[in-house]
Amino acid sequence: AQSVTQLDSQVPVFEEAPVELRCNYSSSVSVYLFWYVQYPNQGLQLLLKYLSGSTLVKGINGFEAEFNKSQTSFHLRKPSVHISDTAEYFCAVSDQTSYDKVIFGPGTSLSVIP
Amino acid sequence: NAGVMQNPRHLVRRRGQEARLRCSPMKGHSHVYWYRQLPEEGLKFMVYLQKENIIDESGMPKERFSAEFPKEGPSILRIQQVVRGDSAAYFCASSPSAGARVGDTQYFGPGTRLTVL
Repeated sequence: AQSVTQLDSQVPVFEEAPVELRCNYSSSVSVYLFWYVQYPNQGLQLLLKYLSGSTLVKGINGFEAEFNKSQTSFHLRKPSVHISDTAEYFCAVSDQTSYDKVIFGPGTSLSVIP
Repeated sequence: NAGVMQNPRHLVRRRGQEARLRCSPMKGHSHVYWYRQLPEEGLKFMVYLQKENIIDESGMPKERFSAEFPKEGPSILRIQQVVRGDSAAYFCASSPSAGARVGDTQYFGPGTRLTVL
């Protein structure tokens, strides 16, 4: 079974500053990794995903994440945040050897301060 | 190309009533997943369905909850005799094939926010 940990429940950051949202996972098998964003009162939108290949994954809205297998991490980064990035961010993992149940982390609330 | 549709967006029920939540997957998608998001928590998997089949319902409460995905029409998540603890946002996602196993993405709907009075 897999599990996902997002250590920071809330991250306040000033506009135009860089941000890193941390995600660690545990799994006994190979996994796919995802970051989703949820804006207030909306559904989830895929930011980026890691399936295989390059460990640095670029997504939408200027976000990127790096897969580190040895540290079982998949941290999300953005060099300069905007007010519009204020949202809830969910890290998720799926088992490559099984079907499609996606396990989500508890989420990190990013607040961008003007 | 319409995304995943869910209705209603907001649903209010009194304790003991039934709630029916509908999900229309994206065109061409035959795999549907239901998740529940309780306040201040992440999404929890409930059930995975293909057309006319329940593949995995390990996340569904044993009683009062059921799901179906008929050959024609939307997927339905049904909650009988609702209680206050059922108040949550219920999200549906769809994928075209075997989903994340082959690298496909699950596309999420906007969710149904259920409030039980």
